[in-house]
Amino acid sequence: KAGVTQTPRYLIKTRGQQVTLSCSPISGHRSVSWYQQTPGQGLQFLFEYFSETQRNKGNFPGRFSGRQFSNSRSEMNVSTLELGDSALYLCASSPSTSGVQETQYFGPGTRLLVL
Amino acid sequence: DQQVKQNSPSLSVQEGRISILNCDYTNSMFDYFLWYKKYPAEGPTFLISISSIKDKNEDGRFTVFLNKSAKHLSLHIVPSQPGDSAVYFCAASALRSQGNLIFGKGTKLSVKP
Repeated sequence: KAGVTQTPRYLIKTRGQQVTLSCSPISGHRSVSWYQQTPGQGLQFLFEYFSETQRNKGNFPGRFSGRQFSNSRSEMNVSTLELGDSALYLCASSPSTSGVQETQYFGPGTRLLVL
Repeated sequence: DQQVKQNSPSLSVQEGRISILNCDYTNSMFDYFLWYKKYPAEGPTFLISISSIKDKNEDGRFTVFLNKSAKHLSLHIVPSQPGDSAVYFCAASALRSQGNLIFGKGTKLSVKP
């Protein structure tokens, strides 16, 4: 099976702009989670989508949003970019069988630089 | 407050010896624990996991031990190889917040030939 794919791999934006990142999960996986990795804060959970619905949300401002499509592909959007949004954004997918804890598999990430 | 802690930022071991990476957690609701390996500018690669109903899980050179009473888990790599050099992250989740992994800050492992 192909792994989790993320596009684009690298992105440079300026403050105030908005950005959309895309994630295609492993075939058959229904849950997609997004994480932000920065040197200071480490890996932090943004949100998780399952069946086109946001099921869990981390502690990030409303400028960070996401959505999931019927084919389980997901996008995340960051509006009004700030310098501190520069980070590696990671997407992970899992089968998400009800009531069972399952492993999340990560994509390669999108490196966002805000100037 | 950090719910998952990896207190050793770095660890250096000799090739062929055992590497032991440690992780502590505070949230008693966590019931699933994972270890990931990560290289710079890449996504984490899953290594091994353990459910809270077990105290040990083994996969090849990797063994994870869970001590629920101490809220502690460890990853053993035997024998260590230079290719194991990377940052290792411990992560935990609770079933009621499925999809949300809480990560430690990571331990950088260096395996010297």
